[in-house]
Amino acid sequence: QVQLQESGPGLVKPSGTLSLTCAVSGGSISRSNWWSWVRQPPGKGLEWIGEIYHTGNTNYNPSLEGRVTVSVDKSKNQFSLSLNSVTAADTAVYYCATYVAVTGRFDYWGHGALVTVSS
Amino acid sequence: ETVMTQTPLSSPVTLGQPASISCRSSQSLLHRDGNTYLSWLQQRPGQPPRLLIYQISSRFSGVPDRFSGSGAGTDFTLTITRVEAEDVGVYYCTQATHFPYTFGQGTKLEIK
Repeated sequence: QVQLQESGPGLVKPSGTLSLTCAVSGGSISRSNWWSWVRQPPGKGLEWIGEIYHTGNTNYNPSLEGRVTVSVDKSKNQFSLSLNSVTAADTAVYYCATYVAVTGRFDYWGHGALVTVSS
Repeated sequence: ETVMTQTPLSSPVTLGQPASISCRSSQSLLHRDGNTYLSWLQQRPGQPPRLLIYQISSRFSGVPDRFSGSGAGTDFTLTITRVEAEDVGVYYCTQATHFPYTFGQGTKLEIK
């Protein structure tokens, strides 16, 4: 079973860049999954951010496009999220998850990383 | 964007009794490949989401058979036949037929 673990700074200054990494264990990042990021503001619902395939193909939520980049590092078996020009509205728990396109399901989720945007 | 609307937003249930949650999408979730990519997630307090049901009615590995899903097109239902204490949490429907993937606002299941 694939396991995912998010890591990165828990505090980012307004107008700065949020950067998170998701380490994948229990399987290769080159398997036939899409690797996704989903966020959840405190006390609120879920928002899909974007995804990447091991080939480097990406899809992003248009609401964030222009500010978000998802990348993959196959040598380290991990993928990353970068979100620039952050504001307090970007404060959330950020989850990484596997997405299996052939079944349309988010199979496995990391435990999440709380990122607070504040000066 | 496909808007997912869940009802009710809160559901107090007696242990051992059934519970159901509805989810309506703003457009049909039938994909051109013939599949319907509607899933249900459970989020227990302080935990990440967990996949329960995918493609309307298929239970994910390890999910108890008291959870079932039904529906078609734009209207879907998650049913718990006999609610147990461990079922407390927030339930989300999610669609992956149309980009961007979207989630319902969540339904909080609590014990009376």
